[in-house]
Amino acid sequence: GAGVSQTPSNKVTEKGKYVELRCDPISGHTALYWYRQSLGQGPEFLIYFQGTGAADDSGLPNDRFFAVRPEGSVSTLKIQRTERGDSAVYLCASSLGLAGGQGQQFFGPGTRLTVL
Amino acid sequence: AQSVTQPDIHITVSEGASLELRCNYSYGATPYLFWYVQSPGQGLQLLLKYFSGDTLVQGIKGFEAEFKRSQSSFNLRKPSVHWSDAAEYFCAVAAFGNEKLTFGTGTRLTIIP
Repeated sequence: GAGVSQTPSNKVTEKGKYVELRCDPISGHTALYWYRQSLGQGPEFLIYFQGTGAADDSGLPNDRFFAVRPEGSVSTLKIQRTERGDSAVYLCASSLGLAGGQGQQFFGPGTRLTVL
Repeated sequence: AQSVTQPDIHITVSEGASLELRCNYSYGATPYLFWYVQSPGQGLQLLLKYFSGDTLVQGIKGFEAEFKRSQSSFNLRKPSVHWSDAAEYFCAVAAFGNEKLTFGTGTRLTIIP
């Protein structure tokens, strides 16, 4: 079966532009996560969905960042008015969403965002 | 809030030698602990995890890790490394009932012939 897929694999944009990053989770996985990994750092949590709703968005850095998962499957991370500091690899993960946080998270290959 | 420290940024070992990567965590209760590996161009792959029970956990690719509550550590070990083990290794912690993972900054492993 297919793993988590993310598109595009690379995105180059100019400062101030709007970007959308897409994540296709593993089929049947109810939980979906977004992380951001800056150069030389570990992944940093952004937001977690259980089904269609955002169960925890405490990691979103500011209101320029927004994510949706309208049908409980594919998710889109949206960044408005991009800044150079947004440059990073954006990782998506999915899991079966087992209670107590025991669901293993399966990660996609990431989208490398570069803001010029 | 939980946190993870990986004190070694870069480690170099010879092929066939043993390996230990260090991880220290900060969390008030019993944590969920994980080790992930990230190879260039690859997604993060789970090596092993600790939730409860036996403090020595076995993972994939011949890796193991030991949870030591008294030292707040969860070090990763392998008795004999292979050239294919060269990668970035991340330790992560999660709290019970909280889905988000908190990662350390990673340790880059280089294998020399």
